[in-house]
Amino acid sequence: AQKITQTQPGMFVQEKEAVTLDCTYDTSDQSYGLFWYKQPSSGEMIFLIYQGSYDEQNATEGRYSLNFQKARKSANLVISASQLGDSAMYFCAMREGYSSASKIIFGSGTRLSIRP
Amino acid sequence: NAGVTQTPKFQVLKTGQSMTLQCAQDMNHNSMYWYRQDPGMGLRLIYYSASEGTTDKGEVPNGYNVSRLNKREFSLRLESAAPSQTSVYFCASSEEGLAESGELFFGEGSRLTVL
Repeated sequence: AQKITQTQPGMFVQEKEAVTLDCTYDTSDQSYGLFWYKQPSSGEMIFLIYQGSYDEQNATEGRYSLNFQKARKSANLVISASQLGDSAMYFCAMREGYSSASKIIFGSGTRLSIRP
Repeated sequence: NAGVTQTPKFQVLKTGQSMTLQCAQDMNHNSMYWYRQDPGMGLRLIYYSASEGTTDKGEVPNGYNVSRLNKREFSLRLESAAPSQTSVYFCASSEEGLAESGELFFGEGSRLTVL
């Protein structure tokens, strides 16, 4: 069965430091996609980054990168040079398969707080 | 660009009342989803629809019904609301495929309180 696990309920990081948010997943499908979303206190869901299971390179988007370790079934989000505006909830999500019939499920999230 | 629009944004119900949350997207996406988010928790999938005319259960479907009225609209109905259904409800849409990441585009959320 499809499952996403985020084991860090909350993290505190000093501004300008790098931070890694953990995500492990479980699936029996060979084709899947992994996502990270940010939810600030205002409540909207903001897409950050995507990694496909067949992508050989780790995905990067600006200060965000996804450390994809397929054998370990982990998809950690790395934020470089953290900023105060990075304080938010972060959710890892997974879609099994590439068809439009796929459902997308989320982990329980990590609350990241950036200290000035 | 409207994206995904949900109505209403806020609603207070009494136990046993019924209501429908409406969702519409203007991005011509095939797939649509309904999630609920309880305080301090992640999003749990209620129902999803891979295409017009099809719907499937997600992780927490009990107490809900859905209708994919057409490609644009996907509604969520609570037939007999219970306090346990107090939550923020998000509608989302996506377009999967080998050339697309299939990211979810979310509405702003609907805050529902059941007394």
